[in-house]
Amino acid sequence: EIVLTQSPANLSLSPGERATLSCRASQSVSSYLAWYQQKPGQAPRLLIYDASNRATGIPARFSGSGSGTDFTLTISSLEPEDFAVYYCQHRSNWPWTFGQGTKVAIK
Amino acid sequence: QVQLVESGGGVVQPGRSLRLSCAASGFTFSSYGMHWVRQAPGKGLEWVAFFWYDGSNKYYVDSVKGRFTISKDNSKNTLYLQMNSLRAEDTAVYYCARERNYYDSSGTPAYWGQGTLVTVSS
Repeated sequence: EIVLTQSPANLSLSPGERATLSCRASQSVSSYLAWYQQKPGQAPRLLIYDASNRATGIPARFSGSGSGTDFTLTISSLEPEDFAVYYCQHRSNWPWTFGQGTKVAIK
Repeated sequence: QVQLVESGGGVVQPGRSLRLSCAASGFTFSSYGMHWVRQAPGKGLEWVAFFWYDGSNKYYVDSVKGRFTISKDNSKNTLYLQMNSLRAEDTAVYYCARERNYYDSSGTPAYWGQGTLVTVSS
């Protein structure tokens, strides 16, 4: 099973700042990596698929990069609605798995 | 628009069974792979099962293999998860989700329901 490790676990930032979230895979997942946002009491929301493709309706301030084992989600300028937990997820082989999450909180 | 509505959750004793349903609308249900993903209270996300778009395959996470069964009724636009021999560690919110693309079983759930809570406790 491929393990995804996200860092940092917690990120404290102010609106308008840039957020950089990391996801590292225990073995190569090629570009088969997605990012999700989850707010309290809500279902996850797909942001990025296949490492760098924004899902339908996702604002351009969200971008993804990386391949192989190292991936990054960047939020260029945090909006108040962006404070949430973010998960990475691979689909390289079964079982597909999620990282443990990064919580982005208001500073 | 795509809508997924889960139901069937509740409190159940260890060892008992429960069947979850996910009613789908707003898309051609028969053309999509469908997922069940769960989230224990205060924890992260865990895949439970996946049903291929064409019904040719089903995936299960090891911890539920032999106890849970995923099924899909295209005539009713409904996804099911039959859960037997429930354990305390199965306590979670269970989400159903639709694959991103039709005729695709590649593992990107793009549309999610709001979830149904299953609590396994004596």
